[in-house]
Amino acid sequence: RKEVEQDPGPFNVPEGATVAFNCTYSNSASQSFFWYRQDCRKEPKLLMSVYSSGNEDGRFTAQLNRASQYISLLIRDSKLSDSATYLCVVSGGSQGNLIFGKGTKLSVKP
Amino acid sequence: DGGITQSPKYLFRKEGQNVTLSCEQNLNHDAMYWYRQDPGQGLRLIYYSQIVNDFQKGDIAEGYSVSREKKESFPLTVTSAQKNPTAFYLCASSIQANQPQHFGDGTRLSIL
Repeated sequence: RKEVEQDPGPFNVPEGATVAFNCTYSNSASQSFFWYRQDCRKEPKLLMSVYSSGNEDGRFTAQLNRASQYISLLIRDSKLSDSATYLCVVSGGSQGNLIFGKGTKLSVKP
Repeated sequence: DGGITQSPKYLFRKEGQNVTLSCEQNLNHDAMYWYRQDPGQGLRLIYYSQIVNDFQKGDIAEGYSVSREKKESFPLTVTSAQKNPTAFYLCASSIQANQPQHFGDGTRLSIL
């Protein structure tokens, strides 16, 4: 099992759609979880941390299921500007380093 | 403004040449990292440093070297031993190992 595994994508959705990304991780001892966003040919940027109780930031909602070792990101009312690659990130590498998933590409169309 | 600065933005390497990529941060972060990203691929960890004067190999350290003489600086040297250096190189820093990482805007390295 890969350390961090994401939906392969790409996801092509119309503006206004709701889209969900899933991510599974292999290290049950992982303690920190994040979603990053990476635009084409740019650096990754932190989108949000993921907390055990779930958390929301505007149109974005992140959920964590420790028992299933599963993380999700829900984007409501998609905008054209949401088009990017979304990276699932989990702690648990050597010396506690973060492990980055390969990402899921989202394309929001008019 | 606080942040991470990578330079140069674009770099070209000749055969047999070593090149050094600069990474400077003024966030007062203890940990710093170097990643490589190939087109359509995820990030792969080259080297990391959790404290000044100490660094560890990541998953793909062969052909690369680093130093961490100052907290603010973590330069990466791509040596001639790295036979396929063409990639997007990203430097990041974090307060501690399992905390969110903040990235510089990267260096694109190509072979002449």
